[in-house]
Amino acid sequence: GEDVEQSLFLSVREGDSSVINCTYTDSSSTYLYWYKQEPGAGLQLLTYIFSNMDMKQDQRLTVLLNKKDKHLSLRIADTQTGDSAIYFCAESIGGRRALTFGSGTRLQVQP
Amino acid sequence: KAGVTQTPRYLIKTRGQQVTLSCSPISGHRSVSWYQQTPGQGLQFLFEYFSETQRNKGNFPGRFSGRQFSNSRSEMNVSTLELGDSALYLCASSLTSGKTDTQYFGPGTRLTVL
Repeated sequence: GEDVEQSLFLSVREGDSSVINCTYTDSSSTYLYWYKQEPGAGLQLLTYIFSNMDMKQDQRLTVLLNKKDKHLSLRIADTQTGDSAIYFCAESIGGRRALTFGSGTRLQVQP
Repeated sequence: KAGVTQTPRYLIKTRGQQVTLSCSPISGHRSVSWYQQTPGQGLQFLFEYFSETQRNKGNFPGRFSGRQFSNSRSEMNVSTLELGDSALYLCASSLTSGKTDTQYFGPGTRLTVL
């Protein structure tokens, strides 16, 4: 079945690393995505990873994928106050266009 | 290049009315998807259009419909509005309908049903 779960809230201090976790249940997921949503805005694509990869790094962002445990994480290095937002993980199952989203993790960065 | 634009940004309707929301994709993009975001249900897929044809549909009642025009602009319509239809409606565009194509989201239309 399709289900994506995330913790609801994460608070970090400016300059620290943030790690946002996500678990999914469908083993046929082909692409997994991380989106960022700021208040009053739409979704901004941060990064994505194909299911045959273990890790992807893009500047301050590192995505880790553990297929065995169906666990996806997003690490933000040197977190800034501008990173405060809601982060959604999403899966694309079997290459379908419809994305299944998690409930979102609210990241609060304290100065 | 301009991003995905959605109009109107805010809308207030009453129960029983109908509403039409519009989405203009990024220039050159031919696929448009619609999502509903509510505090209770989160983000849920409504439908996807590519080359004026509906390709996928989510689990929503028939009151929710959409269409795509030859210039790739898309509209979605909700008839007989219910209080539970209050939500942020997000549109996303991508170059094609391929599984590797990134979906870029617009700012959304916030619909309030009174």
